[in-house]
Amino acid sequence: GIQVEQSPPDLILQEGANSTLRCNFSDSVNNLQWFHQNPWGQLINLFYIPSGTKQNGRLSATTVATERYSLLYISSSQTTDSGVYFCAVERRRGSTLGRLYFGRGTQLTVWP
Amino acid sequence: DTAVSQTPKYLVTQMGNDKSIKCEQNLGHDTMYWYKQDSKKFLKIMFSYNNKELIINETVPNRFSPKSPDKAHLNLHINSLELGDSAVYFCASSQVSSKQFFGPGTRLTVL
Repeated sequence: GIQVEQSPPDLILQEGANSTLRCNFSDSVNNLQWFHQNPWGQLINLFYIPSGTKQNGRLSATTVATERYSLLYISSSQTTDSGVYFCAVERRRGSTLGRLYFGRGTQLTVWP
Repeated sequence: DTAVSQTPKYLVTQMGNDKSIKCEQNLGHDTMYWYKQDSKKFLKIMFSYNNKELIINETVPNRFSPKSPDKAHLNLHINSLELGDSAVYFCASSQVSSKQFFGPGTRLTVL
């Protein structure tokens, strides 16, 4: 399978700070998704971003597929941003439905 | 209004018992999934169904049997539960190779 590495594993921020989370993957992929798992365990899909840049409020993501990495930017962080951020990639072979390979996540804690 | 729902949210049971987890999605998606999240929060796919057909079956003990009665439902039945089955089980759905939407999870504890 594909190896997905996320960094840093842990990040502690003061409210209002900016941060960048990184996701590296070991092979070419068909798509990449970023998820946020909040402290109550709910997994929220933040971005579907096989390539390019997307923005959603204070969050933005960039995927450079040719160099096999993606970045998630969080600006003006808030305590509600706390949780685990997962990167997941999919690789399909021919018409076969692919599967998502998840990284081990970045645990973000934002203090007031 | 819940897009992907799972029942029950918590499941506590004894070793050796059989249990089921139900999942329903109202998004009109063709594909549904079961994932297992272990105690270190690592997420791994177990099964995937597309239009009621089993597409992905990872290396999962055959004590685990998924069933999809229709496109909107995917249930997971587990026989002879073991201590190592304790985890959070997530159901998800999507259109093929599109954004995946996850249910709230079922925390299974085997005593």
